[in-house]
Amino acid sequence: SQQGEEDPQALSIQEGENATMNCSYKTSINNLQWYRQNSGRGLVHLILIRSNEREKHSGRLRVTLDTSKKSSSLLITASRAADTASYFCATGSNSGNTPLVFGKGTRLSVIA
Amino acid sequence: EAQVTQNPRYLITVTGKKLTVTCSQNMNHEYMSWYRQDPGLGLRQIYYSMNVEVTDKGDVPEGYKVSRKEKRNFPLILESPSPNQTSLYFCASCDWGQPQHFGDGTRLSIL
Repeated sequence: SQQGEEDPQALSIQEGENATMNCSYKTSINNLQWYRQNSGRGLVHLILIRSNEREKHSGRLRVTLDTSKKSSSLLITASRAADTASYFCATGSNSGNTPLVFGKGTRLSVIA
Repeated sequence: EAQVTQNPRYLITVTGKKLTVTCSQNMNHEYMSWYRQDPGLGLRQIYYSMNVEVTDKGDVPEGYKVSRKEKRNFPLILESPSPNQTSLYFCASCDWGQPQHFGDGTRLSIL
């Protein structure tokens, strides 16, 4: 029951450029979360945005949420080589105590 | 330090030999979950637990068992492991509706 679908699957950019990743989902949500995973390590939470919010910032990260289009985007500004990782979106449902559903991730490579 | 601890981190074993992967969290979280991660498939949920003695199947529960006898522990049991369970496994915990905290992962190879 995978709901979040990230796009693109892989992204390669130069250091200093901005990176944008998108996430689409299918059903109503309570919140949407973005996570980062360095190769072979556990996921680390980046940002949680609730369904009544449209935009949220954290340092160089900016997340937007469009519930009418059932989509979200994660923007990393002024990227660094250390941002190289996989990024996942996960959706929290409105319908009771159902767990987060993760997408397959976007693999970001930032080239120095 | 707030953390989710999985053991072992790496394990190579043989088909049919029962194994348990332990997961412990020190944040008093009610919700705990197990995922497996395979190339091209992302994270798939195996089982989750909303509280002590409450467990539910995720997307891929076949071949796995879990228990939640204490709030802090959520072990994953493979009664008769098979090669298709070779994967990278993650345990996670959180308060409901809050971000999940992940362990560092357990890489299982079943020959």
